[in-house]
Amino acid sequence: QVQLVESGGGVVQPGGSLRLSCAASGFTFSSYGMHWVRQAPGKGLEWVAFIRYDGSNKYYADSVKGRFTISRDNSKNTLYLQMNSLRAEDTAVYYCAKYNWNYFAFDIWGQGTMVTVSS
Amino acid sequence: QSALTQPPSVSGSPGQSVTISCTGTSSDVGSYNRVSWYQQPPGTAPKLMIYEVSNRPSGVPDRFSGSKSGNTASLTISGLQAEDEADYYCSSYTSSSTFLFGGGTKLTVL
Repeated sequence: QVQLVESGGGVVQPGGSLRLSCAASGFTFSSYGMHWVRQAPGKGLEWVAFIRYDGSNKYYADSVKGRFTISRDNSKNTLYLQMNSLRAEDTAVYYCAKYNWNYFAFDIWGQGTMVTVSS
Repeated sequence: QSALTQPPSVSGSPGQSVTISCTGTSSDVGSYNRVSWYQQPPGTAPKLMIYEVSNRPSGVPDRFSGSKSGNTASLTISGLQAEDEADYYCSSYTSSSTFLFGGGTKLTVL
């Protein structure tokens, strides 16, 4: 079935780095744009980044621009988020989500991976 | 990139209807019909409920409906059921080619 599985979360010190992965299955990964969305504990959803189906264009929220990099490997059906210069306010559950261009909406979500930035 | 504005909470009794508003600007909600709504029960990932302002994906009950007027989109849930209790989020595409979510609304079924 259609599935997204995130991994790579954990505890990291302020200023540190972490790379998240999102493994896709059950659909033609290379045909769809993909997003990262995060949710701080007890807070709402925050859009983080988007990458086009072929990786040709990438867009970022102001809060992560210059620190985070979204990328993908279509041969491995995998989406990535490289997070550098991490701050306490980056602590959140990070979800990857498939973008459905027919719906202009996030139609499939992963279960999320927790990132905690703390000393 | 300010979040779209939603009421923090709404409530209703079983069988009643509730409406959740989502207010943006002329740079997002007001300019595009790319408004979607998501349901998130506690401890779970969000689920798409409405896309392109008023369309329901397959499997979403027709008790859920959406609309838009100017810079404000709305989600209406009619015939409330206990299982509808969850957090609801709106989302919109923006003129900067980015995306925004609302702050979320907690729906309580009394």
